[in-house]
Amino acid sequence: DVKVTQSSRYLVKRTGEKVFLECVQDMDHENMFWYRQDPGLGLRLIYFSYDVKMKEKGDIPEGYSVSREKKERFSLILESASTNQTSMYLCASSSPGLALETQYFGPGTRLLVL
Amino acid sequence: GENVEQHPSTLSVQEGDSAVIKCTYSDSASNYFPWYKQELGKRPQLIIDIRSNVGEKKDQRIAVTLNKTAKHFSLHITETQPEDSAVYFCAADSGGGADGLTFGKGTHLIIQP
Repeated sequence: DVKVTQSSRYLVKRTGEKVFLECVQDMDHENMFWYRQDPGLGLRLIYFSYDVKMKEKGDIPEGYSVSREKKERFSLILESASTNQTSMYLCASSSPGLALETQYFGPGTRLLVL
Repeated sequence: GENVEQHPSTLSVQEGDSAVIKCTYSDSASNYFPWYKQELGKRPQLIIDIRSNVGEKKDQRIAVTLNKTAKHFSLHITETQPEDSAVYFCAADSGGGADGLTFGKGTHLIIQP
């Protein structure tokens, strides 16, 4: 059974703070993704990575960066948090193979920026 | 890039009736179309998916149809039950496999007892 975990379920930060969101998967998946979920907007892709130290911009990368130092861990970084980054953040992973694009999601981190 | 439109945003059906959710996509190179179900406070879970080499796929009460020419795909749930109440998201890949998914904005399905 695929397990994707995120470091926090709820997080409250102040404007201007540097924020780290961590995601870990235990299935040796090559691909990892960060989405944000907002009411009425669905899930939007922020960044993804298809290998260690590799990263690609998604649809809304502004204000975010990522780090993939180990295969199982993908971090989302908010360099200077702003109130419009208040959202639910979902991490996902997938692996090339028979189910090439099937993504497995973590439980989400609900971030509030004050 | 890919653009996915999903309708309706809210759907209310009587228990036992069928529900249909429709999506359209823009990128003709997309070839993978999953559907995710998200219950309140939980993570999205894959419920069914379809690839471009087939037109229909069924799994018990759930079916998905794909029309590649028209670039639309639909989720069909028959004999709806209270536990089907959730938000459903359609998605399409960006044609590159590992390039992430583009999601629709979601449909809130409400099953009326």
